[in-house]
Amino acid sequence: AQSVAQPEDQVNVAEGNPLTVKCTYSVSGNPYLFWYVQYPNRGLQFLLKYITGDNLVKGSYGFEAEFNKSQTSFHLKKPSALVSDSALYFCAVRGYTGRRALTFGSGTRLQVQP
Amino acid sequence: AAGVIQSPRHLIKEKRETATLKCYPIPRHDTVYWYQQGPGQDPQFLISFYEKMQSDKGSIPDRFSAQQFSDYHSELNMSSLELGDSALYFCASSLQGATGELFFGEGSRLTVL
Repeated sequence: AQSVAQPEDQVNVAEGNPLTVKCTYSVSGNPYLFWYVQYPNRGLQFLLKYITGDNLVKGSYGFEAEFNKSQTSFHLKKPSALVSDSALYFCAVRGYTGRRALTFGSGTRLQVQP
Repeated sequence: AAGVIQSPRHLIKEKRETATLKCYPIPRHDTVYWYQQGPGQDPQFLISFYEKMQSDKGSIPDRFSAQQFSDYHSELNMSSLELGDSALYFCASSLQGATGELFFGEGSRLTVL
């Protein structure tokens, strides 16, 4: 079975400061890892993914994520937060084989204060 | 670029009624997924279809059924609705041979009274 843990329900950060949203995963074999963002009453928007290769992945809107195999983590980061980044962030995983549907974490609400 | 289209966007039903949600995937995408997101919850995988055949089954209740048609659109049929079925229902599509990201529609919000 595959699973994702997002240990923080909410992350608060001041505008202009760096942000980190944490994610750890469990999957058989090598993982495909994803971050999605959701604004109120909207669908999930794809931010970035890790498939293979460089552990640091760059995505949309200045976000990046670092894959750490030994810690089974895929934390989302941004060097300088914007108020407009305030939203709900979901980490997701699937394995190279087996179920192709993504398994999502419980989500982390990011609040960026002006 | 064309996105995943879901209809209706909002639906209100009474208990024990039936509801049908529709999903039109991105053109040339061959796989459709249905997810249910309850209030304050993460999206839960219900069912998926590849080339019009059911490819995987998640936590879909027996009261629900789904299918994918020859034009690749999909419908989720929900019967004997319960209060707990109130949720956002998302459809997503992808290319089976691609590296995995799913493209989501804006969702259909079902309210059961």
